Amino acid sequence: GAVVSQHPSRVICKSGTSVKIECRSLDFQATTMFWYRQFPKQSLMLMATSNEGSKATYEQGVEKDKFLINHASLTLSTLTVTSAHPEDSSFYICSACRDVSYEQYFGPGTRLTVT
Amino acid sequence: AQTVTQSQPEMSVQEAETVTLSCTYDTSESDYYLFWYKQPPSRQMILVIRQEAYKQQNATENRFSVNFQKAAKSFSLKISDSQLGDAAMYFCAYRSQGAQKLVFGQGTRLTINP
Repeated sequence: GAVVSQHPSRVICKSGTSVKIECRSLDFQATTMFWYRQFPKQSLMLMATSNEGSKATYEQGVEKDKFLINHASLTLSTLTVTSAHPEDSSFYICSACRDVSYEQYFGPGTRLTVT
Repeated sequence: AQTVTQSQPEMSVQEAETVTLSCTYDTSESDYYLFWYKQPPSRQMILVIRQEAYKQQNATENRFSVNFQKAAKSFSLKISDSQLGDAAMYFCAYRSQGAQKLVFGQGTRLTINP
């Protein structure tokens, strides 16, 4: 149990376009999901907390207009990178939080390359 | 704010030997959770072990065990009988009681030499 999926696993997009990444909790409900960004050989950097039915909470320094987060249901959160630039190229990881235990379960990540 | 520090960017160990990864943290809270996560080359984050701060007994999961020193704010991970599959980045993480956010350390890259 406690499986989290992300789609797509890899995406290449052109500069100026938008790309959407989906995060799904497959076998449990998650009121809260998290989005992280990870640069090569570095730790996970929390970008935002996604709350079902309400606006996401962004960490300091993260552009909320560039990284749009929607938590439409108890099993799905999406991250849309708008007007992507090459510097947005990175590995994006989501996690879903079990409501009862607060344990976080991680998705397999999405590698975004902006050309 | 809580911070987590992993002072060893890289470690290496011979296969079948034992290795200890260090982690220290800073907090003024008395109730919290500590975790070790493994991130292999696939980049999938895998929970290795967790420790509740109120428990004095050190957590153990098969070949993985921790040395939790609450007063010293230290939380090291010991891997016994190292296997090639243990090669990965290891992250120490902290979570406050009643909170959902994790605070991660910088990570330690573990190499297993055959």
